[in-house]
Order: sequence, then structure tokens, then C-alpha cells
Amino acid sequence: DQQVKQNSPSLSVQEGRISILNCDYTNSMFDYFLWYKKYPAEGPTFLISISSIKDKNEDGRFTVFLNKSAKHLSLHIVPSQPGDSAVYFCAASSLILGNAGGTSYGKLTFGQGTILTVHP
Amino acid sequence: GAVVSQHPSRVICKSGTSVKIECRSLDFQATTMFWYRQFPKQSLMLMATSNEGSKATYEQGVEKDKFLINHASLTLSTLTVTSAHPEDSSFYICSARDRQLGGLNYYEQYFGPGTRLTVT
Repeated sequence: DQQVKQNSPSLSVQEGRISILNCDYTNSMFDYFLWYKKYPAEGPTFLISISSIKDKNEDGRFTVFLNKSAKHLSLHIVPSQPGDSAVYFCAASSLILGNAGGTSYGKLTFGQGTILTVHP
Repeated sequence: GAVVSQHPSRVICKSGTSVKIECRSLDFQATTMFWYRQFPKQSLMLMATSNEGSKATYEQGVEKDKFLINHASLTLSTLTVTSAHPEDSSFYICSARDRQLGGLNYYEQYFGPGTRLTVT
């Protein structure tokens, strides 16, 4: 059961344009969402996050939008740069679920990833 | 800050042998560490959650006797793949959560660079 889905396996964008990466989730208990960037043979690096009490969070060229009613979030990168080329994973967590049984551990559920290629 | 290292980065072993992978938080203390596995072109799959001083919590379908996890200190967790077989070949990634972080930052995990295991 894939609770976090990234339906686009890949995205190709011209340098300077906007990259929009999408993510859908099915579990309404998720209340915190994160985006990670990953290069081959490396671990993911944290990019940006958003709480379910917000609908937008911005950090430099990166903006994450959350639409709770649609259970959808997106990551916008403007302007895109060739160095942004990587695999992007969205992840979701739930403080409530993590508290099941009295153990709060903030488990992350990842999507399948989207390969972003930014062409010069 | 928030650096997580893994050792070794790459290991090749023969079928039937055991392999130990170390995960260290270098500049922070981690009460909780996570172990993931990633197959080619797939998402990160959580294998287990490791809490310092207590037994690991394994995800459904993960054999605890095959994947032994020890979290002996606030900066070190180890994953031992026992009696490895070719199907255990994969990219193993650990992450750690900084015990100092509170609030919504509690969810953020810092990832190691990963270990490529090949079982021949």
C-alpha cells in the first residue's frame, strides 16, 4: 500500500524555468511533509518541509505548497539550475501515528522519487 | 552540522557470510536512528527504527534475526546482515534524528551517504 506517491518518474526542464514536482498522499493522519534531494550513491539531503497547519513554505528558490483537501503537495524550484538535477523524494510523517503505543518516533514514509533533469 | 557517516561505503561479500554496517552521527547525539533499504529506481523502504539502549522496532516483513540492529550509544548504530544472500544485495542507508531538536524539527532526519552491499 503506497501511502505516498510521486506519479511522475521523471521531469525535464530548461535552465532558468520553473520545475514543479508533485506528490500525493492517501493517509489523512500525515501532518508533516518533507522534500529530500538525492544524488546517485549518496544519502538524501533535506530540502524543505511544511506542516499541515500551513499551505505554503518558501526557502530561497524552493517553495512547497500543500493542499490538504486534495492530499497533494508540490515542490517548486525557480529558477531551475543544472545543479538541481537529482532525484527528489517527498516524505510524510505523523506525530499521531508515531505516538501509537506511546512511542513517538516520527517515522517517514517516502514516495518513489522523481528524477529531475535541468538542461543548460 | 548534522553530519551522519556510514562505513563501509561499499562492501562485497560471499554468500553465507555476515556483514556489519556502521552509522555514526558525527556532531550531534541521536536517540533514534533509522535503517532504510533502496532497490534500484525505487523508494527508500524503512527497515527498522533503532532507539538508543532499547530493542529496534522492525517494519512488517523485515526479518529481525537476519538484520540485527544495535544502537549502543547516542552516536552509533550498527546493522549486521547475517548469512547474506545475493537477494540481500542493495543500497542500505541510515538516518538519525537530533535529540536536541524539538517541535516540528523533530521530524527531520539526517541521512548517511549509504552503503552498497553486493553479495556474490
